[in-house]
Amino acid sequence: KAGVTQTPRYLIKTRGQQVTLSCSPISGHRSVSWYQQTPGQGLQFLFEYFSETQRNKGNFPGRFSGRQFSNSRSEMNVSTLELGDSALYLCASRTGSVDEQFFGPGTRLTVL
Amino acid sequence: GQQLNQSPQSMFIQEGEDVSMNCTSSSIFNTWLWYKQDPGEGPVLLIALYKAGELTSNGRLTAQFGITRKDSFLNISASIPSDVGIYFCAGLAATFEYNNAGNMLTFGGGTRLMVKP
Repeated sequence: KAGVTQTPRYLIKTRGQQVTLSCSPISGHRSVSWYQQTPGQGLQFLFEYFSETQRNKGNFPGRFSGRQFSNSRSEMNVSTLELGDSALYLCASRTGSVDEQFFGPGTRLTVL
Repeated sequence: GQQLNQSPQSMFIQEGEDVSMNCTSSSIFNTWLWYKQDPGEGPVLLIALYKAGELTSNGRLTAQFGITRKDSFLNISASIPSDVGIYFCAGLAATFEYNNAGNMLTFGGGTRLMVKP
């Protein structure tokens, strides 16, 4: 069974731009969560989607948003990029009935 | 919000040695997960724990769910060079409502393991 895939793997943007990241969960997994990883703050929860509905949201500004499609694929959008948004963005999927989350390789976003 | 204190932050050991790391919290957790992350990659799930006192092994790795539900431990026996990486604990708090959909993991700060051949 294929794992979680994320595209693109690397992105370079400039301040003020917006970016969209994509995540395809493991087949059969209905829940997708997004995390931001930085050296200073570690792994921080952004939001979780389950059956196209946002179930939980972390403590991030409204510039961070996401959505989930009927095939469980998810996208995350960051608008008006700031230098501090440079991070590894990780997507994780789970079936929805257990807590184990499986991570993708991440998207490395650099904001210049 | 909940915080997980993971220690040690880093370890530099000789190949063949055993390794121990732990996570503690002031909050009660229902689930503990242990992950390993290699540079440039996403975390890989090593062990999942669901019951207080539970002891689970995965090869040379053994993890325990603390009796108080506020801590967890990971041990690696007979370390080898490929054990190098960052190990994270993650927990799902008991205070968090779980209705077959909600799931917000809190992560520890990580333990960087370096193994000298």
